[in-house]
Amino acid sequence: SQQGEEDPQALSIQEGENATMNCSYKTSINNLQWYRQNSGRGLVHLILIRSNEREKHSGRLRVTLDTSKKSSSLLITASRAADTASYFCATDKDDYKLSFGAGTTVTVRA
Amino acid sequence: NAGVTQTPKFQVLKTGQSMTLQCAQDMNHNSMYWYRQDPGMGLRLIYYSASEGTTDKGEVPNGYNVSRLNKREFSLRLESAAPSQTSVYFCASSGDGRIQYFGAGTRLSVL
Repeated sequence: SQQGEEDPQALSIQEGENATMNCSYKTSINNLQWYRQNSGRGLVHLILIRSNEREKHSGRLRVTLDTSKKSSSLLITASRAADTASYFCATDKDDYKLSFGAGTTVTVRA
Repeated sequence: NAGVTQTPKFQVLKTGQSMTLQCAQDMNHNSMYWYRQDPGMGLRLIYYSASEGTTDKGEVPNGYNVSRLNKREFSLRLESAAPSQTSVYFCASSGDGRIQYFGAGTRLSVL
């Protein structure tokens, strides 16, 4: 069964605006990752945050993790048309397997 | 720098036919994975291979078999395809067992 659940399912924003999406999970984790999938392509790793970290930045991406609430958020600042994609959170524990959520589809309008 | 290469990119099968999806990685990764992606369901793990010589079932293994041919190659076989196996299949590999690198996918239709 899927561990992560993203919210919202879909998001439409204007170019230049910020996009925020959330991920909730059910059991304790070692790490949480975010991946991007452009239409018709494979997933691409964006960022990994460890369970003992609260916030992490990479370029225009900011990820937060709240283990007490079992939730994470991904913020994309100053969005561009190229950010149009689906975004997935994935959690792992000890066994080299990832559990993916169903994803948030982000559309950035010009 | 090819990364993870999947073949074929598209395939149409009739119910009951068999086929093998091929996956190769050139990153010297130990771990390899097969997923299926269905609309609205994210990715579900079919089988994985933590290291050369080992394979383990994932969340949805029924109807599939895998072979870790060597460190580079991990194939997925459908022995008798069913319409429920219509999906997009992704292969991935990992060097650290955490961050995964994905192929472009195989779009399979079973009629």
